[in-house]
Amino acid sequence: DAGVIQSPRHEVTEMGQEVTLRCKPISGHDYLFWYRQTMMRGLELLIYFNNNVPIDDSGMPEDRFSAKMPNASFSTLKIQPSEPRDSAVYFCASSRRQGRHEQFFGPGTRLTVL
Amino acid sequence: DAKTTQPPSMDCAEGRAANLPCNHSTISGNEYVYWYRQIHSQGPQYIIHGLKNNETNEMASLIITEDRKSSTLILPHATLRDTAVYYCIVRVNTGNQFYFGTGTSLTVIP
Repeated sequence: DAGVIQSPRHEVTEMGQEVTLRCKPISGHDYLFWYRQTMMRGLELLIYFNNNVPIDDSGMPEDRFSAKMPNASFSTLKIQPSEPRDSAVYFCASSRRQGRHEQFFGPGTRLTVL
Repeated sequence: DAKTTQPPSMDCAEGRAANLPCNHSTISGNEYVYWYRQIHSQGPQYIIHGLKNNETNEMASLIITEDRKSSTLILPHATLRDTAVYYCIVRVNTGNQFYFGTGTSLTVIP
């Protein structure tokens, strides 16, 4: 298995532009998580899905952020409009089922908003 | 989920055992202790977890005190590739989220 796949690996954009981050979870995993990591705040959970349905989005910072999971093999995290303070590494992770002990993380997308 | 306390940084000589402590004095009876690590520029990686008993796998050993208020992750023979930030997390088995704190930055020295 290729593991969790994220694209792009690096994104540089200008303030005000729309940014879309993509994630392909491990096949057969029914939980998908989006995290954000910054030096100031560490690793934060933004939102997670179970069977393609958003379960908890309390970590989403504001309305500029949205996430979707149209099917079991694909999820997007969108920022519109982007701001410099959104600069961070965004990780996607997946796991098999509730109570599963291990989450598998992707390599992350490093976002820079100028 | 219970709060954990870890030292911000530690050094370990290559080939020696690395012992990483974690305090979780408010842990509940149904909360597990998990350890993840994050090597620079990579996503976090699961290491091991336990409830009451000591656990061992191919990566590490987890020692949990009898009162469960603290634990130690042991890397038996640290290598340079073990240099990473190590996160201790407590969570109920039925939970879904992991809340990562600041962790311990371990540096393995040649």
